[in-house]
Parts: sequence; C-alpha cells; structure tokens
Amino acid sequence: AQSVTQPDIHITVSEGASLELRCNYSYGATPYLFWYVQSPGQGLQLLLKYFSGDTLVQGIKGFEAEFKRSQSSFNLRKPSVHWSDAAEYFCAVDDNYGQNFVFGPGTRLSVLP
Amino acid sequence: GAGVSQSPSNKVTEKGKDVELRCDPISGHTALYWYRQRLGQGLEFLIYFQGNSAPDKSGLPSDRFSAERTGESVSTLTIQRTQQEDSAVYLCASSQTRNTEAFFGQGTRLTVV
Repeated sequence: AQSVTQPDIHITVSEGASLELRCNYSYGATPYLFWYVQSPGQGLQLLLKYFSGDTLVQGIKGFEAEFKRSQSSFNLRKPSVHWSDAAEYFCAVDDNYGQNFVFGPGTRLSVLP
Repeated sequence: GAGVSQSPSNKVTEKGKDVELRCDPISGHTALYWYRQRLGQGLEFLIYFQGNSAPDKSGLPSDRFSAERTGESVSTLTIQRTQQEDSAVYLCASSQTRNTEAFFGQGTRLTVV
C-alpha cells in the first residue's frame, strides 16, 4: 500500500519569507497528488493537485508544488508567506487503483510577525 | 447542498454508549470517505464508499465501528460501546468520482467521557 511522509512536524517562518513543505510518497507508479490546508477551527481545503502533465502546478493562495518522479516528492512552496498562512498542511496520495486516499501526518506552519 | 454537511458538529457521550454520526455529501458525488483525526494528529482513513460497490472498510479500527451508505446519498458512521480513545474529530469527504478533488465537511467532534 502507498504511504505518505511529511518529514517536518512543525515549521516556523517569518512573514514575507519563502516556504517549502516537504512531501514524499511510496508508490510504484505515478499517483495522483494533493495538498490540503486546515486552518484553525476550519475544514480541509484543497490547495492544489497533480494528475499528469506539467510537473509544476499552481494552486490557490499563491502556492505551487512540484512533482519530482525521481525523488518521489511533491513539495509545496510559496515565495512569500503571509500571517494568514499559519495552518496545518497535509499532503495526500490517491493511487487510482481502488486503494484509499492516503494522507500524510501533516506539517504545522507557524508564521512570525 | 453547497458543501459536505456533517451532524452533529459536537457530541459528548458517556463511555459505553453508542453514537451515530451523519454525513450529507455533495449531490451527485459518488465517492465518500470517512476519516478520524485525533488531537494534533493527521487524518486516519476509516472507510470509503464508491457508488454501489462494496465499501473499503480496511481502515475501521475495530468491530465497534461500522458505516452505511445507501446509493450516493447520506452516510452514517456508528460507533458502538464508545471508549475514551474514540474521542476525535470525525471527518467526512465526498468527490465526484475517484481521483477528483475531495471536499471535506467541518467534522464532528466526539468527546467520550
């Protein structure tokens, strides 16, 4: 079965700094990849997704992610973080073969003023 | 409705009692997922429904947990003889088909005392 790892449990950045959240997956073929954000007291919201094609995908709120097959990674990036980006970020994988939609453990982002 | 609706939003129950959680997916969505999120933890897959196919129950933690869904409509997650370790937020999500964006409800916060 596929698995998803997010090596960083908690990241703190200053407002205006760049951000990269790491995500690695374990799966033989190319899965479908997603990033979700969960703000305090809010539900999960999709930031972006990768199915095929261009390996650099753009999402909402200025986020982007790059799929690197050789590294089995799908890292999330943002060039300039805003205080409102403080939240929990989840990477997710769907293998399209009847297995369930698997989430990583999440990375909590704190933003310093 | 406009989004995935879950009820109740909060539930406090005594240890040993049964509880039933409800999820109203977005109309027309064939796929429906249940997840459990313990405090400070990631999303733990519980069960997946796809149309009229047999559900994927591989994530249910014990036989005290069960879920039903009739066709592409409402789903109920039932926890029998609740234990304190069942305390968590139970999240429901639906998607139009497999491998499309999953939309999440706000969750039901279950507290077993």
